[in-house]
Amino acid sequence: AQSVAQPEDQVNVAEGNPLTVKCTYSVSGNPYLFWYVQYPNRGLQFLLKYITGDNLVKGSYGFEAEFNKSQTSFHLKKPSALVSDSALYFCAVRSNAGNNRKLIWGLGTSLAVNP
Amino acid sequence: GAGVSQSPSNKVTEKGKDVELRCDPISGHTALYWYRQSLGQGLEFLIYFQGNSAPDKSGLPSDRFSAERTGGSVSTLTIQRTQQEDSAVYLCASSSSGTETYEQYFGPGTRLTVT
Repeated sequence: AQSVAQPEDQVNVAEGNPLTVKCTYSVSGNPYLFWYVQYPNRGLQFLLKYITGDNLVKGSYGFEAEFNKSQTSFHLKKPSALVSDSALYFCAVRSNAGNNRKLIWGLGTSLAVNP
Repeated sequence: GAGVSQSPSNKVTEKGKDVELRCDPISGHTALYWYRQSLGQGLEFLIYFQGNSAPDKSGLPSDRFSAERTGGSVSTLTIQRTQQEDSAVYLCASSSSGTETYEQYFGPGTRLTVT
């Protein structure tokens, strides 16, 4: 069965420090991986995706994520956090195998960046 | 350009009443998704429309839930005989293709409260 795990409900970092939001997945076949962000009282916004190719993917707002096939991970990173990055972050995955077209979503990680 | 819009933004209804939630996807997007997000939870897939294909209804929680997509554009999610456990934010998303390499764009959601 396909699944996504975001092992941390909450991540706290100081402004200017690097941040990491973790995501691991389980799929049959090759994964398509996505990160979305949900700011308070706003809709979900696409950040970045991994489909194929370079394992390091760069996205919006200075975020990047690294696909690690051996560890089945797709952690979200940013070298220097901003207070405005405080939001809820969701990882999502699906497999390129089979006819299942649904994305499987993690439960989200709340990121708090402290000034 | 215009994003995904949803209406109403908030809906309060009495238990047992029927409600209709509307989604206007991005023009030209062929795929449309409905999700439900309860407080502190991740996204729960409800239904997926792709072009003229039969919708994937596998996520609908009960037969009180139904959805239509008219003319390949606007979609309506209907909940009959609402229950308190139906209270949640209902999110609609669209993408330019049914393939999973395309990111989904989300509307702001409809917050449904069943009293």
